[in-house]
Amino acid sequence: EAQVTQNPRYLITVTGKKLTVTCSQNMNHEYMSWYRQDPGLGLRQIYYSMNVEVTDKGDVPEGYKVSRKEKRNFPLILESPSPNQTSLYFCASRRVGESGEAFFGQGTRLTVV
Amino acid sequence: AQSVTQPDIHITVSEGASLELRCNYSYGATPYLFWYVQSPGQGLQLLLKYFSGDTLVQGIKGFEAEFKRSQSSFNLRKPSVHWSDAAEYFCAVGGGSYIPTFGRGTSLIVHP
Repeated sequence: EAQVTQNPRYLITVTGKKLTVTCSQNMNHEYMSWYRQDPGLGLRQIYYSMNVEVTDKGDVPEGYKVSRKEKRNFPLILESPSPNQTSLYFCASRRVGESGEAFFGQGTRLTVV
Repeated sequence: AQSVTQPDIHITVSEGASLELRCNYSYGATPYLFWYVQSPGQGLQLLLKYFSGDTLVQGIKGFEAEFKRSQSSFNLRKPSVHWSDAAEYFCAVGGGSYIPTFGRGTSLIVHP
């Protein structure tokens, strides 16, 4: 089954404690992206990657890091989380160069206290 | 730069009534347009998409959308809303080599 898998689904952490949210897709998509969703602000793009070892900032990259060492994986790293990063995070993937839609993971609900 | 505007933050309809959710876009070329639905606690699911051809596209769950180039719009419609349609709806533009851009979403409330 074609899917994007995020882990964990829920996470509560303390300020300053480094964390990683994993994202994996099994569709051999070149493009992967991270979004955060906040009430009234919709989906805002954090980082995206057009292929292995190619990443770029989205609209709200501050406080986040990503890496793309393998095509299927695109982890999101918060080196020193702060309460304003409490949000719902989505990973997405799609094939570059086509009209195809983005496929989304189920989301990760992060709370930073 | 591409952008998407969903002018309605909330829409309330009665069950069985018709529905139209508005979406306006800005895009430098022929747009690829999408509507996604997000049910509570769930990820985003694609309802329908447009990239060429017939400007009226049919999607899942009885939804349709019409692309109007002259108005830069891609409004979502459903003739008769069901209580299970209550959700957040997102319009998006992007495709090819373009990074998808999402609107802020419209929350649909369905009254019995």
